[in-house]
Amino acid sequence: QQQVKQSPQSLIVQKGGIPIINCAYENTAFDYFPWYQQFPGKGPALLIAIRPDVSEKKEGRFTISFNKSAKQFSLHIMDSQPGDSATYFCAATAAGGTSYGKLTFGQGTILTVHP
Amino acid sequence: DADVTQTPRNRITKTGKRIMLECSQTKGHDRMYWYRQDPGLGLRLIYYSFDVKDINKGEISDGYSVSRQAQAKFSLSLESAIPNQTALYFCATSRSGYGYTFGSGTRLTVV
Repeated sequence: QQQVKQSPQSLIVQKGGIPIINCAYENTAFDYFPWYQQFPGKGPALLIAIRPDVSEKKEGRFTISFNKSAKQFSLHIMDSQPGDSATYFCAATAAGGTSYGKLTFGQGTILTVHP
Repeated sequence: DADVTQTPRNRITKTGKRIMLECSQTKGHDRMYWYRQDPGLGLRLIYYSFDVKDINKGEISDGYSVSRQAQAKFSLSLESAIPNQTALYFCATSRSGYGYTFGSGTRLTVV
């Protein structure tokens, strides 16, 4: 059972475009939603995270939008650059219950930004 | 030195062989995790440990075992490797279960 569903699987944009990656979750106990960025040959690294008490969080060119009622959240990359080309993972965890202390990841999105 | 070190970085092994992947960390975190990455499937949890005496199965633990030798060391073993265990394996650590620090991964090929 995939508790966090991510789309699209791959995405190609031109430099300056705004790629959007979407995730949907099932477990209403989830209370922390991070995004990880992974470059080839490297492990994933935390990019930005949000909690469900806010609807949007911005850090530089990266923005998370969160819709609690729809159980969906998305990552927007403003003014995308070729250096943003990477694999992006959404994830979720909960403060209690069976998901306590462990991240459940989405399937990943391979982003390519053309110059 | 990296905060989370995985060895080996690459490994090719034969079906039926026993293999161990090692992870050590200098973060001082109590929580350690082993994930497997496959294209289109994302990262799936194999085992996790909240302290030296605590070991828990993740969603895909069959065919794997782990050992937490110390706070800083967490090893993953494949007792009898099979081709569908070919994947990229990541170790991660966390202080609180929220922010993870990942190692650089071990690419394992079972032939």
